[in-house]
Amino acid sequence: DGGITQSPKYLFRKEGQNVTLSCEQNLNHDAMYWYRQDPGQGLRLIYYSQIVNDFQKGDIAEGYSVSREKKESFPLTVTSAQKNPTAFYLCASSAQGLRYGYGYTFGSGTRLTVV
Amino acid sequence: DQQVKQNSPSLSVQEGRISILNCDYTNSMFDYFLWYKKYPAEGPTFLISISSIKDKNEDGRFTVFLNKSAKHLSLHIVPSQPGDSAVYFCAASAQGSGGGADGLTFGKGTHLIIQP
Repeated sequence: DGGITQSPKYLFRKEGQNVTLSCEQNLNHDAMYWYRQDPGQGLRLIYYSQIVNDFQKGDIAEGYSVSREKKESFPLTVTSAQKNPTAFYLCASSAQGLRYGYGYTFGSGTRLTVV
Repeated sequence: DQQVKQNSPSLSVQEGRISILNCDYTNSMFDYFLWYKKYPAEGPTFLISISSIKDKNEDGRFTVFLNKSAKHLSLHIVPSQPGDSAVYFCAASAQGSGGGADGLTFGKGTHLIIQP
């Protein structure tokens, strides 16, 4: 049963700490993405990767870092430089191009709260 | 500069009636449009899509209409059911943009509330 798994579902972080959010997919998709959702803001792109060992900044990359060492995995690190990290984080993947009828497949999200 | 706009943050509809969610776009290069449905604390799930070569696509209770000249699309849900209460995101893609940052541009979403 293919899909995207994000973990953990809920995460608490102390101010000044880095934290890493996990995203794994077994859909054999080439492209993976990280979005952030805030109330009233919709989905904002943080980083994306179209191929292993390559990734690009999205619209709000400051304070975040990613890696893409394996096709299946695209972890997101929220660093202490991110000024307002409390949000709902969504990971997504897609086959190369968007002509397959379904666009992105999303994970179930991670709720990060800074305490 | 918002390229995909959902101007209604929320919409309330009575159960059994038609729900119409609207979406406007500004980029004339967009040629593929999708609607996603999202429940609280969950990821969005794909609902229905439409290519710019069509003006209508139907899947069960869900129909998407595309008016290219007006750069407007709408999602119709008939009849509306309580389980349809969710946030609906409109998304658009431009040909050849692959899966990168230009792949999908999302609107801010419309919260649909189905009243019993």
